[in-house]
Amino acid sequence: ILNVEQSPQSLHVQEGDSTNFTCSFPSSNFYALHWYRWETAKSPEALFVMTLNGDEKKKGRISATLNTKEGYSYLYIKGSQPEDSATYLCAFMGDDKIIFGKGTRLHILP
Amino acid sequence: DAGVTQSPTHLIKTRGQQVTLRCSPISGHKSVSWYQQVLGQGPQFIFQYYEKEERGRGNFPDRFSARQFPNYSSELNVNALLLGDSALYLCASSFRGLGYNEQFFGPGTRLTVL
Repeated sequence: ILNVEQSPQSLHVQEGDSTNFTCSFPSSNFYALHWYRWETAKSPEALFVMTLNGDEKKKGRISATLNTKEGYSYLYIKGSQPEDSATYLCAFMGDDKIIFGKGTRLHILP
Repeated sequence: DAGVTQSPTHLIKTRGQQVTLRCSPISGHKSVSWYQQVLGQGPQFIFQYYEKEERGRGNFPDRFSARQFPNYSSELNVNALLLGDSALYLCASSFRGLGYNEQFFGPGTRLTVL
């Protein structure tokens, strides 16, 4: 059974601090890894699509890395702001299936 | 440009009934995927359709079915509803199939089964 694990489940970070969290996924039959941000009462929003081992992507203060050989991806947020409060989901894609993790719930403290 | 739209927004059904959920993708997108999300879990993949053909199926019973129309809109049907089918149903569209393309999600349909 394929499984995608995200850690931590929940995270409280002081405004202005930087943070990171992890997505672990199967290292076989890898096709792509997606990161999404899901704010309360909104739809999930795509952050990154990562496909190559060693990929690093950046969008503003948010960046992500990918290691397909060992099956993990990190998401980094630099200088957290209140608008970063959301659930961050990763999704593994392989064999015409997509498997989401349960997400990391990020709370930014003023 | 309009984003992904879903209807209805909310729905209440009783056990044993049947339900149809609808999704309209972003203009130009040819792939639609359906997900079920229950509280505390990540979205669970149900189906993916690309160019009106089923291209992927998650681990859901045969009570769940879907189709994609020539205009790329899609319907998800669930028969013989169970209490456990209560969830948020999300639809997502992408230009092509799953994988390298970003998915754009709709607002979801909240289904409650009593």
